[in-house]
Amino acid sequence: DIVLTQSPTTLSVTPGETVSLSCRASHSIGTNLHWYQQKTNESPRLLIKYASQSISGIPSRFSASGSGTDFTLNINNVEFDDVSSYFCQQTQSWPALTFGSGTKLEIK
Amino acid sequence: QVQLQQSGAELAKPGSSVKISCKASGYTFTSYYISWIKQTTGQGLEYIGYINTGSGGTNYNEKFKGKATLTVDKSSSTAFMQLSSLTPDDSAVYYCARGIRRVFDYWGQGVMVTVSS
Repeated sequence: DIVLTQSPTTLSVTPGETVSLSCRASHSIGTNLHWYQQKTNESPRLLIKYASQSISGIPSRFSASGSGTDFTLNINNVEFDDVSSYFCQQTQSWPALTFGSGTKLEIK
Repeated sequence: QVQLQQSGAELAKPGSSVKISCKASGYTFTSYYISWIKQTTGQGLEYIGYINTGSGGTNYNEKFKGKATLTVDKSSSTAFMQLSSLTPDDSAVYYCARGIRRVFDYWGQGVMVTVSS
C-alpha cells in the first residue's frame, strides 16, 4: 500500500497566521492526492482535490500544491473556525486507497 | 441538497454481525458510487470498498474482504454494509461517502459500532 505521512502531527498557531501542512507519499502518486478537513465529532469535508483543484464553497484561504510524492496544504489568515484535523488521501492505488494519519490544527 | 443519512449506533457482541445503512437524497442515486470508510483513533481512516449503485458491482480493499459485504437497494436509494464475525477491532465509526473516482464529496454522519461482550 502507498503510505501517506503527514507532518506535523499537531500545529498550534495564532489567528491570522499562514500555515503549511505536509503530506508525503511513499511512492509517486502524480496529482492523485486530496485534502479533507474534519472538525471534532463531524464527518470529513473535501477541501482540495487532485493536489490543487479548488472545491466549490471552500474559502479561498485554503490552497494546495504538489505532485509526485510531496504535497502541501496552505491555509492563509487562519481563523478560529479552522480548528480541525486535516487528512490527505491518495487515489493512485485502489482499491487500496489510503489516508494520511492527519495533522491537528490548534489555535492559540 | 445532497444528503447521506446513516442508521444509528450499534452495540454488538463478538462473533455477531451488524448491517448499517446509508440513505441518499438530493441527487440521482445511481449516478455515483458509494464507498465506505472506517475511522478509529488508532488506525485513522481506512478505506473499505465501494459499490456501483447502478449495477451492484463491488470492489473491496483486500483487508476487508470477508469482513464487509456491500449491497444496495436502488428502489430506496439506500446502500448497506454488513460487518460479520465482529471482534473488538471492528469497533469504530463507519462512514459512507459519495465518490467520483473515489474522491469523496459528500459523507454520511457516521455510525459508531461498538463490539463488546
